[in-house]
Amino acid sequence: ELKVEQNPLFLSMQEGKNYTIYCNYSTTSDRLYWYRQDPGKSLESLFVLLSNGAVKQEGRLMASLDTKARLSTLHITAAVHDLSATYFCAVGPTGANSKLTFGKGITLSVRP
Amino acid sequence: DGGITQSPKYLFRKEGQNVTLSCEQNLNHDAMYWYRQDPGQGLRLIYYSQIVNDFQKGDIAEGYSVSREKKESFPLTVTSAQKNPTAFYLCASSLNRDRSYEQYFGPGTRLTVT
Repeated sequence: ELKVEQNPLFLSMQEGKNYTIYCNYSTTSDRLYWYRQDPGKSLESLFVLLSNGAVKQEGRLMASLDTKARLSTLHITAAVHDLSATYFCAVGPTGANSKLTFGKGITLSVRP
Repeated sequence: DGGITQSPKYLFRKEGQNVTLSCEQNLNHDAMYWYRQDPGQGLRLIYYSQIVNDFQKGDIAEGYSVSREKKESFPLTVTSAQKNPTAFYLCASSLNRDRSYEQYFGPGTRLTVT
């Protein structure tokens, strides 16, 4: 059974500093997705990583995928308040069905 | 504009009543999904459907039912058998062709049962 772990589950960030959050998973997969959720809202797609070594960047966020290590990282450059949200990673599909397996999410809070 | 719509945004029901949540997509996606999210928690998969007229149970299907009679629509019924139905319900869809499995989410329905 595929398991997806995110850590840390909560991160308090200082404005202007750099941080990295992690998503690791238990079964071979070359597809990984990052989503953002603001409080009380739905999930918004951030990045789709479809191969080993894939790197995507959008503004202050950069995501990468290492399928050999079964690890994705989300790097935050010079954190700003607008980045405060919960970030989910999802992996899959694996097998015959199209399900994705989601991590529990990491809540980021940026303080002045 | 293409997208996924869920209605209503907020729903209030008395205990013991069945309630149906609507999910419609005009993205021409093959697959659709229902998730439940409790406060401060992640997503839990209730049911999913990869093609019309077929669906599979997810991790927490008990007390829920679905149908997929049309490609665009995947309604979820929360029955009185669901012991703790108060939650945020999210519907999603994915293309499932050409290696495209990214899920797109609707705005969600917040259900409160008292």
